[in-house]
Amino acid sequence: GAGVSQTPSNKVTEKGKYVELRCDPISGHTALYWYRQSLGQGPEFLIYFQGTGAADDSGLPNDRFFAVRPEGSVSTLKIQRTERGDSAVYLCASSPLAGSNEQFFGPGTRLTVL
Amino acid sequence: GNSVTQMEGPVTLSEEAFLTINCTYTATGYPSLFWYVQYPGEGLQLLLKATKADDKGSNKGFEATYRKETTSFHLEKGSVQVSDSAVYFCALSEANAGNNRKLIWGLGTSLAVNP
Repeated sequence: GAGVSQTPSNKVTEKGKYVELRCDPISGHTALYWYRQSLGQGPEFLIYFQGTGAADDSGLPNDRFFAVRPEGSVSTLKIQRTERGDSAVYLCASSPLAGSNEQFFGPGTRLTVL
Repeated sequence: GNSVTQMEGPVTLSEEAFLTINCTYTATGYPSLFWYVQYPGEGLQLLLKATKADDKGSNKGFEATYRKETTSFHLEKGSVQVSDSAVYFCALSEANAGNNRKLIWGLGTSLAVNP
């Protein structure tokens, strides 16, 4: 079956612009996570959704970052007024159940802010 | 807070050599432990996991044992192949409020296996 997909795979934008990154989780997975991976680092947690609600957004670095999951499936990570420091690979993962130990990762979106 | 420390790379080995990548963790409770692998140009894949002390995770010839007394989860393989060349990440998760099982990650260890 289809895995987690993320679009676009690459996004280049200019400082100050707005971007949206999309995640399509595995069908039926209720839990969804966003992580950010900077060059040479391990991923860092951003936000967790259980169904439609953001159950934990403590990893979002500031109020320029926001994510939604309106129907409990597709999620969009939104970044306003992008800065060069936002450049990273943004990873999405889904789990079949809340509290499940296993997360399935998408290929990531590489964001470059010029 | 929780954290994961893994040995720095890059690690370069010849084919059929023995591999160890060290991983230690700090956690307030009883975490689950994971090794993920990222092959060149691909996404993160779960390699193996262990959910309680003394559990051994294994997959594709790789093994790691959850050692609570030493807070370690070292990755081992007896005979590496060129196809094992990848970046390996150690990670932990604990149950948090709302069943959040966010992963806490090490920095990753790059492995290159030469023929």
